[in-house]
Amino acid sequence: EIVVTQSPATLSLSPGEGATLSCRASQSINTKLAWYQQKPGQGPRLLIYGASTRATGIPARFSGSGSGTEFTLTISGLQSEDFAVYYCQQYYHWYTFGQGTKLEIK
Amino acid sequence: EVQLVESGGHLVQPGGSLRLSCAASGFTFSSYGVHWVRQAPGKGLEYVSSISRTGEYTYYANSVRGRFTISRDNSKNTLYLQMEWVRSEDMAVYYCAKERGEADAFDVWGQGTMVSVSA
Repeated sequence: EIVVTQSPATLSLSPGEGATLSCRASQSINTKLAWYQQKPGQGPRLLIYGASTRATGIPARFSGSGSGTEFTLTISGLQSEDFAVYYCQQYYHWYTFGQGTKLEIK
Repeated sequence: EVQLVESGGHLVQPGGSLRLSCAASGFTFSSYGVHWVRQAPGKGLEYVSSISRTGEYTYYANSVRGRFTISRDNSKNTLYLQMEWVRSEDMAVYYCAKERGEADAFDVWGQGTMVSVSA
């Protein structure tokens, strides 16, 4: 099983600041990585697939990068609606999720 | 509007069984693989099971293999998850999700249905 590890577990930032979230896979997954946003009481929302392609309707302040085993989700100019939990998911060999990063207001 | 709506979650005793359903609308259901993902209270997302477009191929996480059965009825645009020998660790919100394409990310998710396990 491919293990996916996210860091940090919690990120405390203020609106307007930039956020950098990391995701590491236990083996190379090329660019078979997705990022999701989840808010309380809601199902996850796809943000990024193929490591760097924004899903339909996702604002340009969200960007993804990386390949192989190291990946990053960057959110520039945090807005109030961005404070949520973020998960990465590998789909290179079936599917596994990271444990999540909670982005909270400082 | 593309939509997935789960139902069937309820309180079940350990060792019991139940069947979850996921009704799809707004897209050609038979053209996509679909999946179940669960989330225990206060925890992260855990992949559960997948089924191919025609239902020919299925896959399960180790934690549920042999106890859960995924199926679909393309004539009813509905996905199912039959849960047997339910354990306390199966207690979670269960989400169904549609894939973008074969072996791809999940681009549409439902709101989830809660399965509670207690004697």
